[in-house]
Amino acid sequence: QKEVEQNSGPLSVPEGAIASLNCTYSDRGSQSFFWYRQYSGKSPELIMFIYSNGDKEDGRFTAQLNKASQYVSLLIRDSQPSDSATYLCAVDEDNFNKFYFGSGTKLNVKP
Amino acid sequence: DAGVIQSPRHEVTEMGQEVTLRCKPISGHNSLFWYRQTMMRGLELLIYFNNNVPIDDSGMPEDRFSAKMPNASFSTLKIQPSEPRDSAVYFCASSQARGRNEQFFGPGTRLTVL
Repeated sequence: QKEVEQNSGPLSVPEGAIASLNCTYSDRGSQSFFWYRQYSGKSPELIMFIYSNGDKEDGRFTAQLNKASQYVSLLIRDSQPSDSATYLCAVDEDNFNKFYFGSGTKLNVKP
Repeated sequence: DAGVIQSPRHEVTEMGQEVTLRCKPISGHNSLFWYRQTMMRGLELLIYFNNNVPIDDSGMPEDRFSAKMPNASFSTLKIQPSEPRDSAVYFCASSQARGRNEQFFGPGTRLTVL
C-alpha cells in the first residue's frame, strides 16, 4: 500500500514568517513530486514540482526533495494571509502518471 | 488557453437517479483523470485514461460507477443508481503525459445525492 503522509495541521504562522510543510512517502521508486494549493471550495492548483534531489525555488516557494529519507517539503517565505489554504503533496510512482495524494496540511497565516 | 472544463458545477439529485458528469481536458493533453474528494477520504483517484484508453480503474468504488472517453476532448463519469454516500466533489484533471506529467485540475462538480 503506497502512502503519502502529511500533518493535517492546522499550521499557524504569522505574516512574514517562513511556513514549512512536510510530506513523507513510502514508495522508494517514486520519481516525481508535486505540491498543490487548494483554497476552500476550490480545486487543487499546482504550485511546484520537483524531480531531483535538492532544492527548487520559484519566487517565494522552495521545494526540497530528499529521496534517501523519502521526504519532500515546501517552504513559503514571507508568508501572506493569501497563502492560507490546504497544501496537498502528490507523488507519482515510476512516472506512470498515477498520483498518490496526501491528506493535506491546512496553513493559516495570521496578519 | 482554456483549462479543464467540467459540467455541471453543481448537481443535486435524489437517490436512485442516474448522474452524468462531464469533462473536457486541456487541448493537447492525452491523459485524463477522475478524482473524488470528501472530508473523510480526501482526494481519491477513481480512474484514468491515456490516449482515450482506460489504464487503471482500480479506484472506481463499485459497478454503479462507469467512465468513458469517446474522444480526446471529452469524458464522462456516470453513477447509476446514485446513493447518498456518493455525495462529494468530483474533479477531472489532465496532463500531457510525455515527460511532463503535471496534472491540472478542473473546477469540479459538487454532487449532492438526497
